[in-house]
Amino acid sequence: DGGITQSPKYLFRKEGQNVTLSCEQNLNHDAMYWYRQDPGQGLRLIYYSQIVNDFQKGDIAEGYSVSREKKESFPLTVTSAQKNPTAFYLCASSIEAWVSYGYTFGSGTRLTVV
Amino acid sequence: EDQVTQSPEALRLQEGESSSLNCSYTVSGLRGLFWYRQDPGKGPEFLFTLYSAGEEKEKERLKATLTKKESFLHITAPKPEDSATYLCAVTTNAGGTSYGKLTFGQGTILTVHP
Repeated sequence: DGGITQSPKYLFRKEGQNVTLSCEQNLNHDAMYWYRQDPGQGLRLIYYSQIVNDFQKGDIAEGYSVSREKKESFPLTVTSAQKNPTAFYLCASSIEAWVSYGYTFGSGTRLTVV
Repeated sequence: EDQVTQSPEALRLQEGESSSLNCSYTVSGLRGLFWYRQDPGKGPEFLFTLYSAGEEKEKERLKATLTKKESFLHITAPKPEDSATYLCAVTTNAGGTSYGKLTFGQGTILTVHP
């Protein structure tokens, strides 16, 4: 079945440590996105990519980095510069910039600072 | 700046008690409004897309409607399995960009008691 796979499901980060969240899709979608979800707040856009080797900052990109070397993969690195990284991270994709069904989401990674 | 506000923040219903969730939006050039369902610890699942005022979409016990300022998600005779967080999101024509950025509301947590 086609879909988006995020791993790991749970991730623990120590102070000062960089961690990378994986996002892989087999839907042949061009566009991919990373959102952050905090309790009581809507999803906020971190980074997005429309094509391979190209990506743009979203609304809250500080302390995060991404790469898009393959169409199927869009990993997110949470760096030590991100002071409050504890959150639920969601990866999404869409066929193109505009589709009638919006995004397909992964199942999320819950990151906790320990 | 695009804004999406959902109300109420939480809604508790008895099984069979119909009600509505509200999504108010302030955007420049609405291209589409989306409704998603999100179960705890999972990624959002697409429900509906609405494009223009007056449009309605239905799926089982859910019916979504759209006006020029807001959208309603009507739930008829809900069941306990309808318990979830319901998210509203919009995408716009702002800036002539074509990427599919969605701006999300904070969600409504629906609990249906048997």
